[in-house]
Amino acid sequence: DPKIIQKPKYLVAVTGSEKILICEQYLGHNAMYWYRQSAKKPLEFMFSYSYQKLMDNQTASSRFQPQSSKKNHLDLQITALKPDDSATYFCASSQGGNTLYFGEGSRLIVV
Amino acid sequence: GQQVQQSPASLVLQEGENAELQCNFSSTATQLQWFYQRPGGSLVSLLYNPSGTKHTGRLTSTTVTKERRSSLHISSSQITDSGTYFCAMERNTGGADRLTFGKGTQLIIQP
Repeated sequence: DPKIIQKPKYLVAVTGSEKILICEQYLGHNAMYWYRQSAKKPLEFMFSYSYQKLMDNQTASSRFQPQSSKKNHLDLQITALKPDDSATYFCASSQGGNTLYFGEGSRLIVV
Repeated sequence: GQQVQQSPASLVLQEGENAELQCNFSSTATQLQWFYQRPGGSLVSLLYNPSGTKHTGRLTSTTVTKERRSSLHISSSQITDSGTYFCAMERNTGGADRLTFGKGTQLIIQP
């Protein structure tokens, strides 16, 4: 069974709309992350959370907002979607900054 | 910023041959991981190796921290080893750290 659950697995959205990507981890880890992978760029860091607090933020745009309602949850809200936002968004977790475990990803296409 | 260079960009081998993947990084790494990604799949951590030599199965990673390089050796390659291998590094220790990924080496194992 997957230990990091991401929903939805696939998503098509209209330009200008808003979507939320869901992530839940059942590894008991204290740190959670969002990474993005697109055809144009290598896998890139977006956010890191530790004990539900934002630790690091690489994303320049405020359209990307992580939300942590529970210790093992880190959702990603994306507003005013653009075609350039099309990518696979990976949620990941770790314990104390060690080995990183990834979810299956949410593949977002913005048309 | 931190940079990770991987070589070769792609590698085609016959089944049974050994594969050697290289990773060079721009600053001293306190965390170094090798990941594997099947096309359209998630990333799986293969080895966590910030320094020295680590083995798991047919995989051997050697990281020379002072020289800012790491290698991943795959012995007796199998068709199922095909995919993309990523090197990722982090300079800081502890907490929720960001990993910087290379562009990956695409490995193709032919029968």
